[in-house]
Amino acid sequence: EPEVTQTPSHQVTQMGQEVILRCVPISNHLYFYWYRQILGQKVEFLVSFYNNEISEKSEIFDDQFSVERPDGSNFTLKIRSTKLEDSAMYFCASRQTGNTIYFGEGSWLTVV
Amino acid sequence: KQEVTQIPAALSVPEGENLVLNCSFTDSAIYNLQWFRQDPGKGLTSLLLIQSSQREQTSGRLNASLDKSSGRSTLYIAASQPGDSATYLCAVDDGSSNTGKLIFGQGTTLQVKP
Repeated sequence: EPEVTQTPSHQVTQMGQEVILRCVPISNHLYFYWYRQILGQKVEFLVSFYNNEISEKSEIFDDQFSVERPDGSNFTLKIRSTKLEDSAMYFCASRQTGNTIYFGEGSWLTVV
Repeated sequence: KQEVTQIPAALSVPEGENLVLNCSFTDSAIYNLQWFRQDPGKGLTSLLLIQSSQREQTSGRLNASLDKSSGRSTLYIAASQPGDSATYLCAVDDGSSNTGKLIFGQGTTLQVKP
């Protein structure tokens, strides 16, 4: 079964450093998302991406965050200057035109 | 603003028992509702999706119902097994943005004891 793949599975970074989380969505999917889950809290929407542009972003997704789909297969989330409170599991997700959404295994980010 | 709540936060049952997980949402104008399973440290696996026009969906031992007017959904698990132990998340697409954005509950962590 096709799946969404994410790398790295776990990254530890110093506060203030830039981080790029990578995702390969399912190949024929058109809608792409990033969500995050702080330990013990709800899964929260960050951003949605369609037709090579951001279609919606949450209040969390401030100027420190950006997304790109550089080559038609990868979908990246960049955090420019990480803060301690950015420590979370980050999930990439994708879907076709239907409603079923497929999530990756997540990238666990620890900011120290 | 849509809020999704799941009760109970945790549940422990003996193997073989039938059980019900509850999800409630504050705004009944939803587009669809999905139930996910999350194993510790893992991603989310979609279990069932109910469109706003549907009342229930079934997959194997799982049955999800939707009552939009009361803002509730239930996930029924029949004949529970230890392998069902996981966190179950309910998520709503309220269609407000047309982007498929999901709003999640906090989950119910289920333990099925052999």
